[in-house]
Amino acid sequence: GAGVSQTPSNKVTEKGKYVELRCDPISGHTALYWYRQSLGQGPEFLIYFQGTGAADDSGLPNDRFFAVRPEGSVSTLKIQRTERGDSAVYLCASSLEPGYNEQFFGPGTRLTVL
Amino acid sequence: EDQVTQSPEALRLQEGESSSLNCSYTVSGLRGLFWYRQDPGKGPEFLFTLYSAGEEKEKERLKATLTKKESFLHITAPKPEDSATYLCAVPAGNQFYFGTGTSLTVIP
Repeated sequence: GAGVSQTPSNKVTEKGKYVELRCDPISGHTALYWYRQSLGQGPEFLIYFQGTGAADDSGLPNDRFFAVRPEGSVSTLKIQRTERGDSAVYLCASSLEPGYNEQFFGPGTRLTVL
Repeated sequence: EDQVTQSPEALRLQEGESSSLNCSYTVSGLRGLFWYRQDPGKGPEFLFTLYSAGEEKEKERLKATLTKKESFLHITAPKPEDSATYLCAVPAGNQFYFGTGTSLTVIP
């Protein structure tokens, strides 16, 4: 079946611009996670959705970052006033149920801020 | 405060040369330890979950073990296609803390 998909695969933007990154989780998966991965590092937690609500957004680095999941399926990570330090691979993962279960990751969106 | 530490950072093996990767964790009340494999340009791919000390799981040439403070990923007679970065992760609350990974290269 279809896995987690993320679009775009690559995004190049200029400092100060607004970007949106999209995640389509596996159908029926209720839990959705966003991570950020810098070169040579492991994924860093950003936000966790249980259904439509953000159950934990403590990993978002500042208020320029925001994420939504309005219908409990697709999620969008939004970054305002991008900075060069935001450059990284943004990964989305979903799991069938909330809790301590295996996560299925998408291929990621590589964001480059010039 | 580091939750998860992996060693070594990089490992080069000859094909057929067995070895082990280490993942040590400091989170209390372990709710599972997860191993993932990540190929370049791709998202992590789930391998194993271990929940209690003494537990072992195997998949092809990989075997994961767990103690109260660390986990090992044993690779027996590796092949070049086992080359990847291996990540471990532990949950704490709603978050999953990942280590920085071990980059494994298996030379034919």
